[in-house]
Amino acid sequence: QKEVEQDPGPLSVPEGAIVSLNCTYSNSAFQYFMWYRQYSRKGPELLMYTYSSGNKEDGRFTAQVDKSSKYISLFIRDSQPSDSATYLCAMNDYKLSFGAGTTVTVRA
Amino acid sequence: DTAVSQTPKYLVTQMGNDKSIKCEQNLGHDTMYWYKQDSKKFLKIMFSYNNKELIINETVPNRFSPKSPDKAHLNLHINSLELGDSAVYFCASSHSPETQYFGPGTRLLVL
Repeated sequence: QKEVEQDPGPLSVPEGAIVSLNCTYSNSAFQYFMWYRQYSRKGPELLMYTYSSGNKEDGRFTAQVDKSSKYISLFIRDSQPSDSATYLCAMNDYKLSFGAGTTVTVRA
Repeated sequence: DTAVSQTPKYLVTQMGNDKSIKCEQNLGHDTMYWYKQDSKKFLKIMFSYNNKELIINETVPNRFSPKSPDKAHLNLHINSLELGDSAVYFCASSHSPETQYFGPGTRLLVL
């Protein structure tokens, strides 16, 4: 069983919809929880990171962490075609462990 | 100004050859990493260096040898390339583990 589980999708939504992404994990030692965005044929770029359980907002993006359930989520409000990418969750103890990534397409 | 750069961007080679990938960062970070992303987009850490010292080696075959001549550079040399080595290799750097900056990747195809 992988330490970090993420549904690879793909996920297709109309422009303006809310995109909901999530990951589960098994390692209680994970301290930081990150979301990366990866456009096709590019390197991952950090979107957000959070340390504690709860919500963190950054513009149209909201990250949620529930450590008791070992569950993290990313919500994208008012999605745009430019949000079409693969979204990777990541968590760290002494190293980063990534989910498989969810491919999202926002249709204009 | 590119923060983390890698060369080459593409590498096509025959089985059994030896090849190197170079990485440079101009962010002033102390820690650099090599990751491998397979065809299913799964990203996995291979090595991590902090200030030229190896701190993470994730059960990577001995054919892979990282070298850090200074804290701004981390190179990856691969001996006796195998078909299974075909992947995208990403270099990254950070000042703290939760904020890593990735390079554009090197696409390696072994024939």
